[in-house]
Amino acid sequence: EIVLTQSPATLSLSPGERATLSCGASQSVSSSYLAWYQQKPGLAPRLLIYDASSRATGIPDRFRGSGSGTDFTLTISRLEPEDFAVYYCQQYGSSPRTFGQGTKVEIK
Amino acid sequence: QVQLQESGPGLVKPSQTLSLTCTVSGGSISSGSYYWSWIRQPAGKGLEWIGRIYTSGSTNYNPSLKSRVTISVDTSKNQFSLKLSSVTAADTAVYYCAREIYGDLDYWGQGTLVTVSS
Repeated sequence: EIVLTQSPATLSLSPGERATLSCGASQSVSSSYLAWYQQKPGLAPRLLIYDASSRATGIPDRFRGSGSGTDFTLTISRLEPEDFAVYYCQQYGSSPRTFGQGTKVEIK
Repeated sequence: QVQLQESGPGLVKPSQTLSLTCTVSGGSISSGSYYWSWIRQPAGKGLEWIGRIYTSGSTNYNPSLKSRVTISVDTSKNQFSLKLSSVTAADTAVYYCAREIYGDLDYWGQGTLVTVSS
């Protein structure tokens, strides 16, 4: 099973700042089959990015995914108030699908 | 717009079987190349993939739960279901159903809390 490790655990930033979230895999993720999700308290996760760098429908272009192999990054160019949430990466290149433990982006 | 809704008991006794159903609306569960998945999240913790089913009935399960999990589909009712046997307190979590398209999960239900307690 591929283990995904997200860093940092918590990111304290102000609105308007840039957020950089990392997701490292214990082995190479096949074909960059990696997704990012946003989750707000009490709500289901929402798909942001799939195939490492493709934005899901309706996702603003301030969200950018990059990376391949074992190292992936989610960048939020300028944080909006609604972006403060927990972010999870997920790999679907091999079974079982696995998620990272999450990065919380909180208001500084 | 596809919508998913979980339903089932919110309280299950230890050693019993947890049973949940996900009802899909806004589209046929049989159309398209979709898998239908279950994911769970213990309070304050991360997400765990449980397994998935294709409308043909083909399934994949997380090895950590495989001996206790059964996922089935009822295309006539546009539903799919989860059964988890021999539950313990460690199975207490919010359970989500979701649609999988080429691996990523693009539509999710709102989630339902299942507590295992006597």
